Amino acid sequence: LAKTTQPISMDSYEGQEVNITCSHNNIATNDYITWYQQFPSQGPRFIIQGYKTKVTNEVASLFIPADRKSSTLSLPRVSLSDTAVYYCLVGDLRIMNAGNMLTFGGGTRLMVKP
Amino acid sequence: NAGVTQTPKFQVLKTGQSMTLQCAQDMNHEYMSWYRQDPGMGLRLIHYSVGAGITDQGEVPNGYNVSRSTTEDFPLRLLSAAPSQTSVYFCASRGVGGKNSGNTIYFGEGSWLTVV
Repeated sequence: LAKTTQPISMDSYEGQEVNITCSHNNIATNDYITWYQQFPSQGPRFIIQGYKTKVTNEVASLFIPADRKSSTLSLPRVSLSDTAVYYCLVGDLRIMNAGNMLTFGGGTRLMVKP
Repeated sequence: NAGVTQTPKFQVLKTGQSMTLQCAQDMNHEYMSWYRQDPGMGLRLIHYSVGAGITDQGEVPNGYNVSRSTTEDFPLRLLSAAPSQTSVYFCASRGVGGKNSGNTIYFGEGSWLTVV
């Protein structure tokens, strides 16, 4: 799994757009970029996944530049309930490989204030 | 949809006791894993399995054993509990193969373990 770097924490206010950037300089050709969200006292849950350019769903957008060495998770008009930890994972998780461990970094702790 | 089910949700152990955290998934996923999460920290991989009969160590395997006798179940055993094992434990699973089936990890709701 490609190593990723994210900011440790971010603060925002309700109604603002929040962009969280993840760096993954050694991303491989078959790697996908996946973001997870973890609320306090819960397990992480899948938010969005992409390979290149832009992906949008009902929760967020994911922007991936042409070189794919970074990605940006965009949360439009955040609310207090978006306060959570956001994890960026990069890898080709389809491959069955005994050495393919799924490791999470520390994530980005987003605090949304009223 | 049950997804990934963990039991118990809360447990208090005395130092030296042993116990098993249960994990079951009903999605026919090949890959299962256990993580621990200490307060304010990220997830750390304890053990994982890529299929029935196959297990391997993650980042922090010491003090824990696992087995995978069936596709559905992946129990985590604490052999002799220590206060350093006080943590929240998450079980996770994912599929392998197919265009998108292997790229989403499903987590259980967590098991809160306190060792006194």
